[in-house]
Amino acid sequence: EVQLVESGGGLVQPGGSLRLSCAASGFTFSTYWMSWVRQAPGKGLEWVANIKEDGSEKYYGDSVKGRFTISRDNAKNSLDLQMNSLRAEDTAVYYCAAGGRTFDYWGQGTLVTVSS
Amino acid sequence: DMQMTQSPSSLSASVGDRVTITCRASQSVNSYLNWYQQKPGKAPKLLIYATSSLQSGVPSRFSGSGSGTDFTLTISSLQPEDFAAYFCQQSYSFPLAFGQGTKVEIK
Repeated sequence: EVQLVESGGGLVQPGGSLRLSCAASGFTFSTYWMSWVRQAPGKGLEWVANIKEDGSEKYYGDSVKGRFTISRDNAKNSLDLQMNSLRAEDTAVYYCAAGGRTFDYWGQGTLVTVSS
Repeated sequence: DMQMTQSPSSLSASVGDRVTITCRASQSVNSYLNWYQQKPGKAPKLLIYATSSLQSGVPSRFSGSGSGTDFTLTISSLQPEDFAAYFCQQSYSFPLAFGQGTKVEIK
């Protein structure tokens, strides 16, 4: 069974940093592009970033470019999202998803709240 | 950047109804259009990819059609478990983009 389990969410002040992690199991992680997608409270879905199977290519949404960094460790079947210079508008549930352009599997999400 | 517009934003329907949701892209996405279902408090779930291909395990009452800029998700006979939000998403070009969602509610 495919499982994606996010962790690392919480309350952070504007301008602060947070690192999200996603533990993957039940599929061959190293053969999948991986992505982060977020959803602000009561709002729609927004693609954040994705990373190629071997980590050699990374793409970011315009709203997070230069502030967020996606990375992966295929030996540990894990995906990370380093978030810096956080803003109130980054408040959202962050989902880890398997797939680079089509999101085949999703985690349950982790809530990030940016507030003073 | 590509804009995805869904209509309607919400609809009320009864069990057994045929439901159609449309998605329009601001530029052609060829056939690179996906549909997701999201129930309250849950993660989205892939229903249809590449316009009309049903994801494994998805009931056949769901179908997708379209090409270029105009796409449709159809539920042939609405079931109680289908009351949810539905999102389209273009996978043609970066930045990837979702529609704003359509909420299907019980009439």
